Amino acid sequence: DAGVIQSPRHEVTEMGQEVTLRCKPISGHDYLFWYRQTMMRGLELLIYFNNNVPIDDSGMPEDRFSAKMPNASFSTLKIQPSEPRDSAVYFCASSSADKNTEAFFGQGTRLTVV
Amino acid sequence: QKEVEQNSGPLSVPEGAIASLNCTYSDRGSQSFFWYRQYSGKSPELIMFIYSNGDKEDGRFTAQLNKASQYVSLLIRDSQPSDSATYLCAVNMGTNAGKSTFGDGTTLTVKP
Repeated sequence: DAGVIQSPRHEVTEMGQEVTLRCKPISGHDYLFWYRQTMMRGLELLIYFNNNVPIDDSGMPEDRFSAKMPNASFSTLKIQPSEPRDSAVYFCASSSADKNTEAFFGQGTRLTVV
Repeated sequence: QKEVEQNSGPLSVPEGAIASLNCTYSDRGSQSFFWYRQYSGKSPELIMFIYSNGDKEDGRFTAQLNKASQYVSLLIRDSQPSDSATYLCAVNMGTNAGKSTFGDGTTLTVKP
């Protein structure tokens, strides 16, 4: 398996624009997680899905953030409108219910909002 | 007080030495504990997890857990320059590695 795949790897956008980050989890994994990493706040869990259903979105910072998982192989994290303080590295991770002691991270999307 | 605290570092050790990384957590209900390694510009990768009090060894790595003291540590024996990275401690109320609260990390440099 190619691992967790995220796109794009880098995104630069202007304040106020909509940004969509994409993630393809490892095939067969039941859980998908979205994280954000910044120098100030470290690595924070934003939301996670189990079998495509959002379970806990308490980490989503504002209503400007939304996430979907329309099927088992695809998820999006959308920011609309984007702000400079959203600049961070966004990671997607997935894990299997059968072996949930391992979470595998994608390579991340580095978002810069100017 | 942060939920998961790590020694701020940076930590520098000579090649071949033992590196000791420490982590404390605030929630006594925490059940599982994970150590991730993150190279600069890369994603976190799981090194070890531990659930029970005591030591758990995997090659050159040993995780130690003391739930009474709410303390977990990672020892790296025979440190190598390739171990130079940021080490993240993650704490979990259950056992699903993804649903974790992370510390800010300790940056380790192993000098040849």
